[in-house]
Amino acid sequence: GAVVSQHPSRVICKSGTSVKIECRSLDFQATTMFWYRQFPKKSLMLMATSNEGSKATYEQGVEKDKFLINHASLTLSTLTVTSAHPEDSSFYICSARDEQGPGGYTFGSGTRLTVV
Amino acid sequence: AQSVTQLGSHVSVSEGALVLLRCNYSSSVPPYLFWYVQYPNQGLQLLLKYTTGATLVKGINGFEAEFKKSETSFHLTKPSAHMSDAAEYFCAVSRYGNNRLAFGKGNQVVVIP
Repeated sequence: GAVVSQHPSRVICKSGTSVKIECRSLDFQATTMFWYRQFPKKSLMLMATSNEGSKATYEQGVEKDKFLINHASLTLSTLTVTSAHPEDSSFYICSARDEQGPGGYTFGSGTRLTVV
Repeated sequence: AQSVTQLGSHVSVSEGALVLLRCNYSSSVPPYLFWYVQYPNQGLQLLLKYTTGATLVKGINGFEAEFKKSETSFHLTKPSAHMSDAAEYFCAVSRYGNNRLAFGKGNQVVVIP
């Protein structure tokens, strides 16, 4: 079935540095990918929708310059957290739209970001 | 716009007892409905979905859900809870022509031996 690989699974970085998270669709082409943020004991908050070859669409309240999204190919989308601060610490999950998949959406395994 | 309501953030159930997680949605057009399960520090795994057709949907791990349009509900059930069912469960809704999923707040299921 459809698989989305997300890396890294965990990352610790210092305040002020940038971190890149990758999301790859392994056996299908994903023209649309989604990036979510999940706070402890909370639901998933959609941050942005990325479409291959075009600019991402950000949800209201999400800083475009802080959370850079690139979807340069049909199998890869990246989220870069720039100038990270402790409040950016969270669980980030990507999802790819897969029309042929059983659910239509396939999720990555998530990235636990800790900013110290 | 669509939205999802899941009541009761924590649900405790005895091993072998019925699991019932309630989900109500609002949508201006016929919805697509999903239930996902999340284990700690992992992504979401699809349990089942409803798009069209039969309103009783069977999923993985013995779960099923019934779409009731008149009640705008899509409750998830499992006849007999297993310890491995302890996880977070999310109900989600989307609609034809709209890629976006709207999630409920989730239910943390605890299975008591």
